[in-house]
Amino acid sequence: GQSLEQPSEVTAVEGAIVQINCTYQTSGFYGLSWYQQHDGGAPTFLSYNGLDGLEETGRFSSFLSRSDSYGYLLLQELQMKDSASYFCVGDSGAGSYQLTFGKGTKLSVIP
Amino acid sequence: NAGVMQNPRHLVRRRGQEARLRCSPMKGHSHVYWYRQLPEEGLKFMVYLQKENIIDESGMPKERFSAEFPKEGPSILRIQQVVRGDSAAYFCASSPPGSNTEAFFGQGTRLTVV
Repeated sequence: GQSLEQPSEVTAVEGAIVQINCTYQTSGFYGLSWYQQHDGGAPTFLSYNGLDGLEETGRFSSFLSRSDSYGYLLLQELQMKDSASYFCVGDSGAGSYQLTFGKGTKLSVIP
Repeated sequence: NAGVMQNPRHLVRRRGQEARLRCSPMKGHSHVYWYRQLPEEGLKFMVYLQKENIIDESGMPKERFSAEFPKEGPSILRIQQVVRGDSAAYFCASSPPGSNTEAFFGQGTRLTVV
């Protein structure tokens, strides 16, 4: 199975940069995704790392290092609307579409 | 193209009643997944279905819970004889054939058992 660890809460200032780390212990790990969830809302896909390295999508970047069982989500130019919970998510790859969610990091962006 | 549609958004049931949660996947998506989320927790996988087939139900409780995705109509998650511990948000997600890298989630059904 998989388990993913991430900080429970992070606070950052509007306009700043914040990094949310995720470490995992897993068998059969295939890739790491990140999802955003605003209070009461649907989780929304942000990024996916199937290979080691950095993926950049606008203000968001995600990184994966399989050798270190570690990944992170980087949010730049923080905006108030970025206040939400962010989940790192592992998947078991082809043949098993089960996603395993971490417990989430609640990001609070302050003025 | 409508997103994943779940209904109802909120459902209140008394202990012992049945709860039926519906999910219509995005157009063109043939894979449906159900997840449960408790407050301050991540989502927990329950079941993965394709049309008329349960592919993986390893996350489903052995009793009282069942899911289906008929040839016509939405996917249904059924919880019989609900108990207080079933109170949670239930999310449905769908993805197109051949994809396991991105799932599109519905707004969820918040079940409250009183």
